[in-house]
Amino acid sequence: AQSVAQPEDQVNVAEGNPLTVKCTYSVSGNPYLFWYVQYPNRGLQFLLKYITGDNLVKGSYGFEAEFNKSQTSFHLKKPSALVSDSALYFCAVRDIGPAAGNKLTFGGGTRVLVKP
Amino acid sequence: NAGVMQNPRHLVRRRGQEARLRCSPMKGHSHVYWYRQLPEEGLKFMVYLQKENIIDESGMPKERFSAEFPKEGPSILRIQQVVRGDSAAYFCASSPPGRGPEAFFGQGTRLTVV
Repeated sequence: AQSVAQPEDQVNVAEGNPLTVKCTYSVSGNPYLFWYVQYPNRGLQFLLKYITGDNLVKGSYGFEAEFNKSQTSFHLKKPSALVSDSALYFCAVRDIGPAAGNKLTFGGGTRVLVKP
Repeated sequence: NAGVMQNPRHLVRRRGQEARLRCSPMKGHSHVYWYRQLPEEGLKFMVYLQKENIIDESGMPKERFSAEFPKEGPSILRIQQVVRGDSAAYFCASSPPGRGPEAFFGQGTRLTVV
């Protein structure tokens, strides 16, 4: 069974500094990986996905993620964090198998706090 | 194209009552997924439905929980005889046929059992 780990419960960063949110995965076969963001009392918003192709994926709001197959990682990055980036971030992997559809397995989430 | 619509946004039920959560997928989407988010936790898969079919219900509790996605109308997640431990945010996601596109999430229904 596939799994996703987000080793940090919370990441604190000063506004303007680089932001990295870590994610590692375990899946048999080629992974389909996603990042979602959740603002307080809101639903999940899609940020970006990796399916195939370039290892560096660019997404919404200036975020990008780097797929590293040898390290089984898919870390989310932003060169210069904003206070408005403070939210809960989830990494997810799509289940494999012909009947899985878009079923996702989520990591436990990482809370990002960007301080002015 | 409206997004995934869930209602109600907030639902309060007394222990023992029934909770009905509704999810209208995006236009053209025929696949619906329900997830539960307990306080301070990640999302856990519950059930995957296509029109009139349950494809995967491996994440559904064995008792009191049921889901449907009829030919017409929204998908319904039904919780009978709610208990305090059912208090959570329930999210619905939808996607079109095929595995290429990502799933889009609704804003969730926050269920509080008192």
